[in-house]
Amino acid sequence: GAGVSQSPSNKVTEKGKDVELRCDPISGHTALYWYRQSLGQGLEFLIYFQGNSAPDKSGLPSDRFSAERTGGSVSTLTIQRTQQEDSAVYLCASSLRGSGGADGELFFGEGSRLTVL
Amino acid sequence: AQSVTQLGSHVSVSEGALVLLRCNYSSSVPPYLFWYVQYPNQGLQLLLKYTTGATLVKGINGFEAEFKKSETSFHLTKPSAHMSDAAEYFCAVSDLGGYKLSFGAGTTVTVRA
Repeated sequence: GAGVSQSPSNKVTEKGKDVELRCDPISGHTALYWYRQSLGQGLEFLIYFQGNSAPDKSGLPSDRFSAERTGGSVSTLTIQRTQQEDSAVYLCASSLRGSGGADGELFFGEGSRLTVL
Repeated sequence: AQSVTQLGSHVSVSEGALVLLRCNYSSSVPPYLFWYVQYPNQGLQLLLKYTTGATLVKGINGFEAEFKKSETSFHLTKPSAHMSDAAEYFCAVSDLGGYKLSFGAGTTVTVRA
């Protein structure tokens, strides 16, 4: 597709269950980001992938969160043993170059809204 | 480490009136500054950015922002609001050459007819 694609768009789960969120970046974009958007709190950086380099996981809030990127393309964010405070919109973004921050042109998906009951 | 403060979580303006959204940043090195807009049920998209050079930056949809180093500010303006400007606006900062954007909490703009 032309843009960043995320699925599912909405996910409702019970506390304690595991969830997987998927991101398909724009073809050719080497950098991929996950952010979390909570109500009234802006966007919180979670993790950054750039090519074959080791990802920057410094934003992951706990060891229940993990992410992988297969073949330099699709990424999956996994949350294990979900808690109610994990409820948020999870946004994926990609950029053409590794210096996505310097260039500023991050292309965002529409997000996956996670609700933990 | 960089951080961003957006003053005012909600702004309401009349159609045709000036839109002013305030953003202040802190950064230990020269920053790159950005404004992103998020329309309802959509992802964020880049409005404009300042990297180097001219401090007055023009973006899409008639928006502009001015980088003021002495005030550590990057306020966003539009002379005349349109109904289609109703959205949430995010200011962001990154370090020179960095890849991580730090975002503000966002400002929701509503436009009154």
